[in-house]
Amino acid sequence: SQTIHQWPATLVQPVGSPLSLECTVEGTSNPNLYWYRQAAGRGLQLLFYSVGIGQISSEVPQNLSASRPQDRQFILSSKKLLLSDSGFYLCAWSTPRGTNEKLFFGSGTQLSVL
Amino acid sequence: GESVGLHLPTLSVQEGDNSIINCAYSNSASDYFIWYKQESGKGPQFIIDIRSNMDKRQGQRVTVLLNKTVKHLSLQIAATQPGDSAVYFCAENWGSGGSNYKLTFGKGTLLTVNP
Repeated sequence: SQTIHQWPATLVQPVGSPLSLECTVEGTSNPNLYWYRQAAGRGLQLLFYSVGIGQISSEVPQNLSASRPQDRQFILSSKKLLLSDSGFYLCAWSTPRGTNEKLFFGSGTQLSVL
Repeated sequence: GESVGLHLPTLSVQEGDNSIINCAYSNSASDYFIWYKQESGKGPQFIIDIRSNMDKRQGQRVTVLLNKTVKHLSLQIAATQPGDSAVYFCAENWGSGGSNYKLTFGKGTLLTVNP
């Protein structure tokens, strides 16, 4: 069966520090991968998605970047965190069959930038 | 901007009652819809999905209804239990066979089940 791992679960970082959140998927090949952010009490905002190694699509201009160095690994990064980067970050995957497929989410990372 | 929204941000029900959570969408080209449940501090969990060629789909204690005429989606939970307390999100997608890999999520409804 497929599983998705996301870490760390919580993170407290000072403003201006770098960020690296990692996500890995097991049990499937060539998944579509996604990073979402969720502000407290709000919906999910798509940040990045990837349909293959090295292929990254950015949805909103921001202080963050994403990379996919391996088929089942998706990394969210920042060189210098801002206060506004605080939030709940979710990694997700879907099958590579294409559109209209459900997303499976990781357990999330609660990031607090102080 | 978001094209999927919810009529009620909060819903409080008694244990054992049926719950109905509503969602409106504005993109008439949307052809796939999903309901997710998110418990506090956790990632969303898939509940049920429906494609636009259907108007009703049933799962275990849950039913999703799709009314394409008024662009309305609902989630019905039968015999609501305390464990159903969570935020429920609807999401839409369009572009079957195309290149739209993105789900658009609504803002969510907080369901509280009172014992």
